[in-house]
Amino acid sequence: GAGVSQSPRYKVTKRGQDVALRCDPISGHVSLYWYRQALGQGPEFLTYFNYEAQQDKSGLPNDRFSAERPEGSISTLTIQRTEQRDSAMYRCASSGQGGQPQHFGDGTRLSIL
Amino acid sequence: GEDVEQSLFLSVREGDSSVINCTYTDSSSTYLYWYKQEPGAGLQLLTYIFSNMDMKQDQRLTVLLNKKDKHLSLRIADTQTGDSAIYFCAETLRSNDYKLSFGAGTTVTVRA
Repeated sequence: GAGVSQSPRYKVTKRGQDVALRCDPISGHVSLYWYRQALGQGPEFLTYFNYEAQQDKSGLPNDRFSAERPEGSISTLTIQRTEQRDSAMYRCASSGQGGQPQHFGDGTRLSIL
Repeated sequence: GEDVEQSLFLSVREGDSSVINCTYTDSSSTYLYWYKQEPGAGLQLLTYIFSNMDMKQDQRLTVLLNKKDKHLSLRIADTQTGDSAIYFCAETLRSNDYKLSFGAGTTVTVRA
């Protein structure tokens, strides 16, 4: 597709389960970003990849959160042992290079019961 | 988000101009952005301005930047019902120009 694709669009799971959220960036975009957006707030930065290298993971809340982009294209954000406070919209963005305008996908809405 | 502030709500009549305001605190901003979020949709990049510019116009959109007051505004001319959405102001800094810092968003409601 032409834009950033995220899957699933919605994920409902029980507390304690692991979840994996997927992001497929715009073709040719070397930089990929993950953000988290709480209701009524703007997105907050989680992590950033340049090609397959994770350049900054300072926004990941704790060690239950991890992300990878093994081949420099598709990325997966994994949350282990989910907690209710992890419920949010998770947004992925991509750009031509770090610092260039970021284009976002539709997001994955995660609900932890 | 604390470094970027926006008013929460704006109501405007169809056909009028909308002006959405944003203030930021860090003088080392590189780019400032406006994103639009419609219900059930992603964040759409509307426009952006480099921090050494004062103004940028793109069709119905005009961005004004006052660096002295650290104030950014987005003017939408001839506002339409399709402009109803949440508008986010965001900045990147020289220290890490890949990290967007967003405001909390302004909900714009267009009434007939």
